[in-house]
Parts: sequence; C-alpha cells; structure tokens
Amino acid sequence: KAGVTQTPRYLIKTRGQQVTLSCSPISGHRSVSWYQQTPGQGLQFLFEYFSETQRNKGNFPGRFSGRQFSNSRSEMNVSTLELGDSALYLCASSPGGDRLYEQYFGPGTRLTVT
Amino acid sequence: GEDVEQSLFLSVREGDSSVINCTYTDSSSTYLYWYKQEPGAGLQLLTYIFSNMDMKQDQRLTVLLNKKDKHLSLRIADTQTGDSAIYFCAESLSGTYKYIFGTGTRLKVLA
Repeated sequence: KAGVTQTPRYLIKTRGQQVTLSCSPISGHRSVSWYQQTPGQGLQFLFEYFSETQRNKGNFPGRFSGRQFSNSRSEMNVSTLELGDSALYLCASSPGGDRLYEQYFGPGTRLTVT
Repeated sequence: GEDVEQSLFLSVREGDSSVINCTYTDSSSTYLYWYKQEPGAGLQLLTYIFSNMDMKQDQRLTVLLNKKDKHLSLRIADTQTGDSAIYFCAESLSGTYKYIFGTGTRLKVLA
C-alpha cells in the first residue's frame, strides 16, 4: 500500500505571497492532520479533517486554512506569507474510528519564505 | 495545560540499551506514542500505548507508562547505529483529534 504523499516536497516563496500544499492519504484512510515543524517550536498541530469536516484546529492565525476533498485528499493554504512560516509541513493520515490512534506521516513539504 | 517534555540529547554505545524519557501534563491523554524521525524524512510511528496500560513490548522496543507521575519511557534494546535519529513522544487528548508532541530527543549511537 502506498504511503502518505505530499506535494511539492520543496517550495520557496516570497513574503506576502500565498501557498497551497497538498496531501494524499493512504488509501482507505479518512482522517488527515497537518503539522508545522520548526527548530524553535517543534511539531505543532494545525488542524484535522475527517470526511471533509474540520474536527479540530490548533492555535494558528486565520492565514492558515485547509480543506479535505471527497476522496480524502487534503490541501492546506497559507496566505500573506511571513518569514516565520518557513518550516517543514507534515501531513498525517489515519483510518479514523477506533483506529484513530494509528497516524502515518508523509515526508513533508519544506517551505522557505524569503 | 498541554505540554510534553523530553531531554534533548542522548548518546549510547552500539549494543547498549537506550532509554528515552518523556513527561506529559494532560491527564486526559488516551494514547501515548513514540515516533522516529530520520534526517530529511517524516515521522515513523514506532509504537504506542493505551493510557490504561503500564507496559508494552514490541521486539527491541519496550514502552513503560507511569500514569501517576505522567512519565513515559522508550527502551531500545541492543541499540544499533541505524537507531540514530530524533525520537518524539506524543499524546492524543481524550475527546479531541489533537496530538501534542514533545520537543524530540536526538539519539546518537556510537560505534
């Protein structure tokens, strides 16, 4: 079974621009979560989606948004990029339900904001 | 509050056992996890333990949970150079779909 895939793997953007990152979960997985990883703050939870509904959100400004499609693929969008948004963005999928505890991560998208 | 703490570094000799420790603050955690991250890669789920368990063993890995002290540990037996990585402890919060991760412990295995 293919793992979680994220595209693109690397991205360079300029302050003020916006960016969209994509995540394809493992086939059959319906829950997708997003995390931001930085050296200073570590891994921080952004949001979680299940069946196209956002069920939980972390403490990030409204510039960070996401969505999930009917095929469980998910995108996250960051508008008006700031230098501090430079990070590794990780997506994780899980089967949901009583197997929600199984979370599988993709390789991440490395975003650099200049 | 929600906080998970780990020591930053651990160095062991190949063949020795490694013990990585973690403390958490939220008593409503349902599952506690250990993940491994190698350079340039995402996180790999190593093992997890349900909050009503004390211990779980999975091949070379042993997880111990002291719920009273909110302390979780991961023991790696016969540590190999391929075990060199960053290890993250994480908890999932009851009633939410939210995970809180520790800062990560960088394990260095010396040949």
